Amino acid sequence: DQQVKQNSPSLSVQEGRISILNCDYTNSMFDYFLWYKKYPAEGPTFLISISSIKDKNEDGRFTVFLNKSAKHLSLHIVPSQPGDSAVYFCAAGVAGTYKYIFGTGTRLKVLA
Amino acid sequence: GAGVSQSPSNKVTEKGKDVELRCDPISGHTALYWYRQSLGQGLEFLIYFQGNSAPDKSGLPSDRFSAERTGGSVSTLTIQRTQQEDSAVYLCASSLLGPTSGGIETQYFGPGTRLLVL
Repeated sequence: DQQVKQNSPSLSVQEGRISILNCDYTNSMFDYFLWYKKYPAEGPTFLISISSIKDKNEDGRFTVFLNKSAKHLSLHIVPSQPGDSAVYFCAAGVAGTYKYIFGTGTRLKVLA
Repeated sequence: GAGVSQSPSNKVTEKGKDVELRCDPISGHTALYWYRQSLGQGLEFLIYFQGNSAPDKSGLPSDRFSAERTGGSVSTLTIQRTQQEDSAVYLCASSLLGPTSGGIETQYFGPGTRLLVL
């Protein structure tokens, strides 16, 4: 039973356009959510997070939206750049614990 | 270097052999985590070390898997009698303090060890 799902294994976007990566979760206990980016042959690197007390968190070109009622979060990248091409993982957990549950990842390709 | 390092980067072994995977966390980080990513799957939590406390081994898939952390720093993940289903990328991460009351601490990942069991 996958508690965190990324239903789109891949996504292609033109440079300069918006990339939207989606993530759904099933466990209502989750109250902290993160996005990680992973380049080939490298470990995942932290990108942005959001607590359940918020519905939006923005950091430069990256914005994460949280819809608690739908148990859905999304990562928006605008404008998309070729260097954003990577695998993006969403992760969920409970504040004060250390076990993240990761999704299977979405491979983003930004076309020049 | 300043990041988490893992060795070897790649390991090919025969079914039934034992393997050891090493993780060097960021200096000063008290929390260390091991994850596994099998093909087409998300990252799967394996084990967590916090300082000198007893580790949380709840994610280890079988008793063939064990891990230790010596001196609160370097960690070794050992897989005995490897099976083909053990083939995966094994990722190590560290964080400064571990769980915090206000949220979840950022974990810093190493590049992983890609294990192939033939």
